[in-house]
Amino acid sequence: DTEVTQTPKHLVMGMTNKKSLKCEQHMGHRAMYWYKQKAKKPPELMFVYSYEKLSINESVPSRFSPECPNSSLLNLHLHALQPEDSALYLCASSQDSWKLFFGSGTQLSVL
Amino acid sequence: GENVEQHPSTLSVQEGDSAVIKCTYSDSASNYFPWYKQELGKGPQLIIDIRSNVGEKKDQRIAVTLNKTAKHFSLHITETQPEDSAVYFCAATFNTNAGKSTFGDGTTLTVKP
Repeated sequence: DTEVTQTPKHLVMGMTNKKSLKCEQHMGHRAMYWYKQKAKKPPELMFVYSYEKLSINESVPSRFSPECPNSSLLNLHLHALQPEDSALYLCASSQDSWKLFFGSGTQLSVL
Repeated sequence: GENVEQHPSTLSVQEGDSAVIKCTYSDSASNYFPWYKQELGKGPQLIIDIRSNVGEKKDQRIAVTLNKTAKHFSLHITETQPEDSAVYFCAATFNTNAGKSTFGDGTTLTVKP
């Protein structure tokens, strides 16, 4: 299994809602990442988990809260988002920190 | 920090022709250079990568070249096919830190049948 699976594929939420994005990989990778990608732009790194511990937070607003329950799962909890947070949210994993394996992403719309 | 410039931003070729995408980077400490292909509605997929200790790497119709002195690297696709149509991103990073790669702005490649 060489896939990174993200759910849901699409999400529409209001600014007062709380929702969560989920990511799963069964490749035994030790590092997992959250990226944000706006249309026609490259991915922007948000968070890095290494061995289930948060190692990098790229100054992301607190309305985004990551969680790594175990080595295969990564969640991104969303609360009180703004319309400008609408984007494609990508999860990725890597074993050796060289090669990134991306999921297909969650397309998020904040109304 | 690292800065990566990618050209061209759009590229249109006829099926069977070759396509070349070029990137330049600013930080001479960068030593890992991956290329990602992103199809519509999908996440980026690593298609080829090169480390700074080699000058060229090839995988079937895809090749990457690296010139460390000039700080630039290129993606070459030969015998292009319609399924090669996608957005291609180059990236540069230092050491074992692929997650902190600096990406280029992307090239939209269209292969006309």
